[in-house]
Formats: sequence, structure tokens, C-alpha cells
Amino acid sequence: RKEVEQDPGPFNVPEGATVAFNCTYSNSASQSFFWYRQDCRKEPKLLMSVYSSGNEDGRFTAQLNRASQYISLLIRDSKLSDSATYLCVVNGARGGGYNKLIFGAGTRLAVHP
Amino acid sequence: DAGVIQSPRHEVTEMGQEVTLRCKPISGHDYLFWYRQTMMRGLELLIYFNNNVPIDDSGMPEDRFSAKMPNASFSTLKIQPSEPRDSAVYFCASSFVGAGNTEAFFGQGTRLTVV
Repeated sequence: RKEVEQDPGPFNVPEGATVAFNCTYSNSASQSFFWYRQDCRKEPKLLMSVYSSGNEDGRFTAQLNRASQYISLLIRDSKLSDSATYLCVVNGARGGGYNKLIFGAGTRLAVHP
Repeated sequence: DAGVIQSPRHEVTEMGQEVTLRCKPISGHDYLFWYRQTMMRGLELLIYFNNNVPIDDSGMPEDRFSAKMPNASFSTLKIQPSEPRDSAVYFCASSFVGAGNTEAFFGQGTRLTVV
């Protein structure tokens, strides 16, 4: 089983739609969670961290369910510029170690006019 | 800051040749990561360093791969001998743990093609 699993998509949605991505992780000791965005042929960049209480950044909302080991990302009012691959990232270190960032394979989003 | 700098951006080499990828992390960062990305396997963590010391190399696929970090501003990933299945984009990333900031900043990657 992969440490971080995501639906690869693609998700094809019209502008203005709301779309949600899900991610599950296997290491119950993980303490840090993130969503990264990767544009075609570019490097990944941090979109937002995911906090236990859930957090929002403009049109983006991230949620964490530790009991189910599940992370979600909601994008409201999709824009053409949101088209990219969204990577779920988990600190996969065991034994309390800090920084072994494990990436999911990514979910591709295509927003069309 | 110029960000994480990787070289070369593109590398085409023949099977059996040695390949060396280079990375300059962001100044002041204490973690450095090497990742490999392919369509089939996504983004895989190969190895990471903390304060120039390798912490976890369990992702290194086999003995043909080696990585070094001789000082805080430079790291290399070497493949010897290279094989066609090593073709991928190799990313270097760095981060600074201080103040709880765990964001990893990526370089633009090296696109390696082994023919």
C-alpha cells in the first residue's frame, strides 16, 4: 500500500464549479500535512498547510481527519488558472522524526470555460 | 534569494555512462531532499539530508545511485552506470525547520534521458 494515496483524476470541471480532492495516508504518526500544486513541466509549490481544525485560504479549504487518516482540499469558484496537479503531502517520518515529506501521485484538475 | 538551483536542466546520456546532478539549496536551509518524478510512479523521495548528514536513503533505488552533501551549499546525486529506466525528472528541494516552517522549496528539476 502506498504511504499517500490520491485519486489521479483528471477532474474536468467548468469555470465556477466547486471541486473536492481527497487523500488518505497510512502512517498514523504523521504530524504535518500539506497540499502542493504542480503546473505542467514545473516544480511543485506549496499551496497550503493543513491544520487539525481545518483551514481556509480564499477559495481553498483544507480539512484533516486524523481518525480516518484522511485529508481533503475544496476549491470553490474554480478559475481557469486553477488547472494543475494537486499533490497531497504528509510528513512520513517515523519515531517522531521531523522531515520526511512523502508526496501522493497527485490529482489532475482541468478547468474549462 | 535565487531559490534552489539545479544543474543541468536537461541531460541526455547513453546507457552505461555516469551522470551527476547538482543542487544548491537556499542559503540557511538545513534540510535537503532529492526526489525523482515519473508518470508511472509520481514523486518519489530518494534521500534527504539534515545539516549535511544523510538521514534516510531508503528511497534510493539501488547501489547505482549515490548522493553526497559535502557542505551546506552543495549536493550531488550520481548515477553510475545509468540505465534507460533512470529517465525521469530529478528534483532537489530544501527547507528550514526553524519556527515550525516546514515548507519545502523545489528547484526547477533536471530532466534526465538515458538512451
